[in-house]
Amino acid sequence: DAGVIQSPRHEVTEMGQEVTLRCKPISGHDYLFWYRQTMMRGLELLIYFNNNVPIDDSGMPEDRFSAKMPNASFSTLKIQPSEPRDSAVYFCASSSYWAGDTDTQYFGPGTRLTVL
Amino acid sequence: AQSVTQPDIHITVSEGASLELRCNYSYGATPYLFWYVQSPGQGLQLLLKYFSGDTLVQGIKGFEAEFKRSQSSFNLRKPSVHWSDAAEYFCAVTNAGNMLTFGGGTRLMVKP
Repeated sequence: DAGVIQSPRHEVTEMGQEVTLRCKPISGHDYLFWYRQTMMRGLELLIYFNNNVPIDDSGMPEDRFSAKMPNASFSTLKIQPSEPRDSAVYFCASSSYWAGDTDTQYFGPGTRLTVL
Repeated sequence: AQSVTQPDIHITVSEGASLELRCNYSYGATPYLFWYVQSPGQGLQLLLKYFSGDTLVQGIKGFEAEFKRSQSSFNLRKPSVHWSDAAEYFCAVTNAGNMLTFGGGTRLMVKP
């Protein structure tokens, strides 16, 4: 399996622009997670989905952030408008209930976002 | 709420020396515990995990960790460190509800 795929790997944008980060989970996985990593706050869970349905979005910092999962193989995290404080590495992870290993999350390589 | 503490932000060891990275957790029930490693510019790779059973778990790359309930600890060990082990290491806990909580990480540097 190719693992969790994220795109783009790097994104540089200007304040106020819309940013869309993309994630393809491991095939067959039914949980998908979005994390943000910063020096100040470490790794934070933003939101997670089960069977394409958002289950907990309490970590989403504010209304400028939104996430969708239109199907089992694709998810997006959108920031609109972006601000410099959104600069971070955003990770996507997935796990599988049906493999009997729900709690083991497999991470993608991350998207490094820089907002100027 | 669950929490994870990694007391050492940076650790430097000589190549070939033994390694122990500390992890303490706070959680009311039996936790599920993980160690991940992150190389520069890379995602997180799972090293090992503890769900139940034997409290000494073996992982990839020669790592092992021991769950000690009485000390609320899950320390990571390796008997002989290789230069390629230089990376950042994260301990994490979940309550079987899919909410992973990570520690702040320990950055390992390996001296030749």
